[in-house]
Amino acid sequence: DADVTQTPRNRITKTGKRIMLECSQTKGHDRMYWYRQDPGLGLRLIYYSFDVKDINKGEISDGYSVSRQAQAKFSLSLESAIPNQTALYFCATSGTGGLNQPQHFGDGTRLSIL
Amino acid sequence: DQQVKQNSPSLSVQEGRISILNCDYTNSMFDYFLWYKKYPAEGPTFLISISSIKDKNEDGRFTVFLNKSAKHLSLHIVPSQPGDSAVYFCAASRNTGNQFYFGTGTSLTVIP
Repeated sequence: DADVTQTPRNRITKTGKRIMLECSQTKGHDRMYWYRQDPGLGLRLIYYSFDVKDINKGEISDGYSVSRQAQAKFSLSLESAIPNQTALYFCATSGTGGLNQPQHFGDGTRLSIL
Repeated sequence: DQQVKQNSPSLSVQEGRISILNCDYTNSMFDYFLWYKKYPAEGPTFLISISSIKDKNEDGRFTVFLNKSAKHLSLHIVPSQPGDSAVYFCAASRNTGNQFYFGTGTSLTVIP
């Protein structure tokens, strides 16, 4: 079973709809992250959380919100989806053994907004 | 503004030869660097890292070199194998450790 699980894996929806992407992990990590990947732009950080009560904005948080429901769960919401939010979204986790711990990624959610 | 840059979108190498993937960064405060490998339909997986107190780190066939004065790092894969064909991302962070900044990726094809 995957250590970092993202649901759904693919989603097509319409402009203006509310969408939630979910991430759960079995690694026991405190830190969780949401990224989006666009062609030619690499991965960009949307939000991150270092524990259940901690939420921080990343580079591109506008139009997104997150919820850290438990240590193992971190969800990303698009309140009113727009076409330029079409992208590949990744959730990641990392441990706390020192500040610079590699991140472990889920397999991504491909989101298309029409 | 892209703080971590991978200027080569793609690279093709013959099996058995060396693959060299390059990465440049602009923020002199970055002091920890990582390489990730990504196969289609999968998430990136961690490959190798280097701290700014070192200029080289080696793990099997993979070696990362860091040139702080040039703000440049490179990943060497020797010998290259067909299974190494993937997209490679470099990433950087400051010791505050809050955020990682990723490059745009280089697609490596190893030709059998």
